[in-house]
Amino acid sequence: DTGVSQDPRHKITKRGQNVTFRCDPISEHNRLYWYRQTLGQGPEFLTYFQNEAQLEKSRLLSDRFSAERPKGSFSTLEIQRTEQGDSAMYLCASNLGASGNEQFFGPGTRLTVL
Amino acid sequence: KNQVEQSPQSLIILEGKNCTLQCNYTVSPFSNLRWYKQDTGRGPVSLTIMTFSENTKSNGRYTATLDADTKQSSLHITASQLSDSASYICVVSPNAGNNRKLIWGLGTSLAVNP
Repeated sequence: DTGVSQDPRHKITKRGQNVTFRCDPISEHNRLYWYRQTLGQGPEFLTYFQNEAQLEKSRLLSDRFSAERPKGSFSTLEIQRTEQGDSAMYLCASNLGASGNEQFFGPGTRLTVL
Repeated sequence: KNQVEQSPQSLIILEGKNCTLQCNYTVSPFSNLRWYKQDTGRGPVSLTIMTFSENTKSNGRYTATLDADTKQSSLHITASQLSDSASYICVVSPNAGNNRKLIWGLGTSLAVNP
């Protein structure tokens, strides 16, 4: 499968724990995006990378959230001291070239904070 | 205020039947309009993307139309299959070259019954 992949697909954690998600974009794509989606809502933009540079972060991304893309390929999203409000689907997307070009989404990581 | 409204909110049809989903938007400026299919617990999958000058675009059994004057779009599904059961989301991009500011509709939940 040469699409966008995310790992893990599901994560259940206790409040206060740290979690880390991984996204592997389509190999030649230089842009990578993280979104959060709650039930019945559209995805909300969190942050995006062009190659290894993090170019924009949403105000939704509190200081408990950090994202990296160290070699311009895969990316990680870490949430520290998780809260119940962090429970959501975390989606990764990638595309090539201009940032308005069509995006390809991964299957998402479903986070449940107990 | 930039908004994307979809109707109906949910729809049930019998396998083999056709259906049409509606999207009205009040987004300005306008760059492109996208239709995504999202299965429960999965990431969105792009069906079509249309710019201002395009009136219709097909992808297999899916045909999208766009009237930029009335700011309306529709997605027509022909000869529905059980696997078409999903949420169909209309997304408008106000800026060319910017996937961070997409305006997402809430989707139409389609159930195709045997």
